Amino acid sequence: EPEVTQTPSHQVTQMGQEVILRCVPISNHLYFYWYRQILGQKVEFLVSFYNNEISEKSEIFDDQFSVERPDGSNFTLKIRSTKLEDSAMYFCASSEEGGRTEAFFGQGTRLTVV
Amino acid sequence: TQLLEQSPQFLSIQEGENLTVYCNSSSVFSSLQWYRQEPGEGPVLLVTVVTGGEVKKLKRLTFQFGDARKDSSLHITAAQPGDTGLYLCAGPRISRLTFGEGTQLTVNP
Repeated sequence: EPEVTQTPSHQVTQMGQEVILRCVPISNHLYFYWYRQILGQKVEFLVSFYNNEISEKSEIFDDQFSVERPDGSNFTLKIRSTKLEDSAMYFCASSEEGGRTEAFFGQGTRLTVV
Repeated sequence: TQLLEQSPQFLSIQEGENLTVYCNSSSVFSSLQWYRQEPGEGPVLLVTVVTGGEVKKLKRLTFQFGDARKDSSLHITAAQPGDTGLYLCAGPRISRLTFGEGTQLTVNP
């Protein structure tokens, strides 16, 4: 069964460093998303991406964050100058159509900023 | 103010019991999705309800979408320890999914 895959599963980084989280969405899906979940809190939307551009972003997704689809299969989230409060699970998701259709999530990357 | 309110927040029951969890909103949604999440893993889609009043069954799980498409419920019959997890409802808003805070279900053997 097709699935969304994320790497790495766990990333530890020092405060101020840049990290890149990687995702391979389901191959025939056109919409891609990043969400995050701080430990014990709800799943929060970061950004949606379609046709090689951001279609929507939340207030969390400030200049520190960027997304890219560098080739036909990967979808990346870059966090520049990480802060302690960026520590969270980051989930990539994809869907065939926009927000109105089912989104399938990856297993997540646990980011720990020390 | 949460767009999607889930209740109860925590539920601990014995194996074999029935339970219902709720997802409520003051807003109308074109559809609602239910996910289950286990610790350290991503949400796994269980079902999508689309039509007001719709009922969908997935083995011992019954999902209902309210007539006005503002609320949904998940009923589990004869709960098993394997049903333990965080149950999340989510609704589309523009190009995003908005999640409720979830119901943490624990089924004790």
